[in-house]
Amino acid sequence: ETGVTQSPTHLIKTRGQQVTLRCSSQSGHNTVSWYQQALGQGPQFIFQYYREEENGRGNFPPRFSGLQFPNYSSELNVNALELDDSALYLCASSQGLAGETGELFFGEGSRLTVL
Amino acid sequence: LAKTTQPISMDSYEGQEVNITCSHNNIATNDYITWYQQFPSQGPRFIIQGYKTKVTNEVASLFIPADRKSSTLSLPRVSLSDTAVYYCLVVPYINFNKFYFGSGTKLNVKP
Repeated sequence: ETGVTQSPTHLIKTRGQQVTLRCSSQSGHNTVSWYQQALGQGPQFIFQYYREEENGRGNFPPRFSGLQFPNYSSELNVNALELDDSALYLCASSQGLAGETGELFFGEGSRLTVL
Repeated sequence: LAKTTQPISMDSYEGQEVNITCSHNNIATNDYITWYQQFPSQGPRFIIQGYKTKVTNEVASLFIPADRKSSTLSLPRVSLSDTAVYYCLVVPYINFNKFYFGSGTKLNVKP
């Protein structure tokens, strides 16, 4: 069973640039969620995709956008990067909406640094 | 979403039992209590989930009193490798789409 994989693991961008982060969900999972984790803080929900449709969004501006593909992999896009976007971006997958089991399967994250 | 309150940090020694308590005064009828563990530079990992009374698995126990306004995660005989941040979450059972992690409890296990 393949776990959640994310790429790239680390990247450095400058203010105003755009970034795309990628996530492959665990085998058999059709739901992907994205979280932002700033240093010393808990993960904060960005949005979730369920069967290729956005299924909820946290308190993030529209320059944070995403996609889910037919194979249930996903992308997180961030436009017009700001210094405060520097964080660990976590992808999590689940089979269906995770409230039923409480279990999200997280990847190792993509560490984004904005200079 | 019901908010949770946990201690910011705790210290323990190897071999001791550790109990981390979480308060969730506004928990709703269809909410479950879920705990995650996170090591530095890794994604959180599910530990245990429960609704009421006691739940036990191979790594932890979860105690939930009758009013469900608090819960206690119990880690038996901790080791240095249990040093991590532990998050208490309240998760609605149906049609749920986001988890609120809060700041968690930093557990430091000493030799």
